[in-house]
Amino acid sequence: DTEVTQTPKHLVMGMTNKKSLKCEQHMGHRAMYWYKQKAKKPPELMFVYSYEKLSINESVPSRFSPECPNSSLLNLHLHALQPEDSALYLCASSQNRYEQYFGPGTRLTVT
Amino acid sequence: DQQVKQNSPSLSVQEGRISILNCDYTNSMFDYFLWYKKYPAEGPTFLISISSIKDKNEDGRFTVFLNKSAKHLSLHIVPSQPGDSAVYFCAASALRGADGLTFGKGTHLIIQP
Repeated sequence: DTEVTQTPKHLVMGMTNKKSLKCEQHMGHRAMYWYKQKAKKPPELMFVYSYEKLSINESVPSRFSPECPNSSLLNLHLHALQPEDSALYLCASSQNRYEQYFGPGTRLTVT
Repeated sequence: DQQVKQNSPSLSVQEGRISILNCDYTNSMFDYFLWYKKYPAEGPTFLISISSIKDKNEDGRFTVFLNKSAKHLSLHIVPSQPGDSAVYFCAASALRGADGLTFGKGTHLIIQP
């Protein structure tokens, strides 16, 4: 089983809203990642969690706040986003930091 | 600065023939390379990978070749099938993926019947 699930599939939020994206994997992977993908662009790394600890933050604005409650779950809390933050947000996980397995993504629209 | 480059935005191949997708990289610290396939509105699907200590890895119809001296890798798909039509991303990692993946811009492969 190489499934990574993400909810919601689509999200529309205003610039003053607070929302959260959720990611779950049950493969026993110890590293989890958030990527952002704009249209016709490659995925760009945002955060890396290793053994439930934040190991990399790629200079992401503080309006994006990641959280790893346990080894299977990864959240991305959103607050005061801008329209340019509209994108596909991808979660991935990996074992031994080799192949990363991606979820289907959350399509976020900020109005 | 694009560290992983896929210079062909699109490639059209006839069904049954070989598809060859190319990728170049500039960062000498990359030690692991991967190919992903992506359909619209879906997450990337892992296809095949290769470590920098190898020069070839094969999995069914998919073969990846790595030329370290040229900092070049390629994905061969043979025979190409209609279901192979998708965007293919080349990705690379350093320190065994500790810092996440760096992706190329992708090549849109179109398999024509």
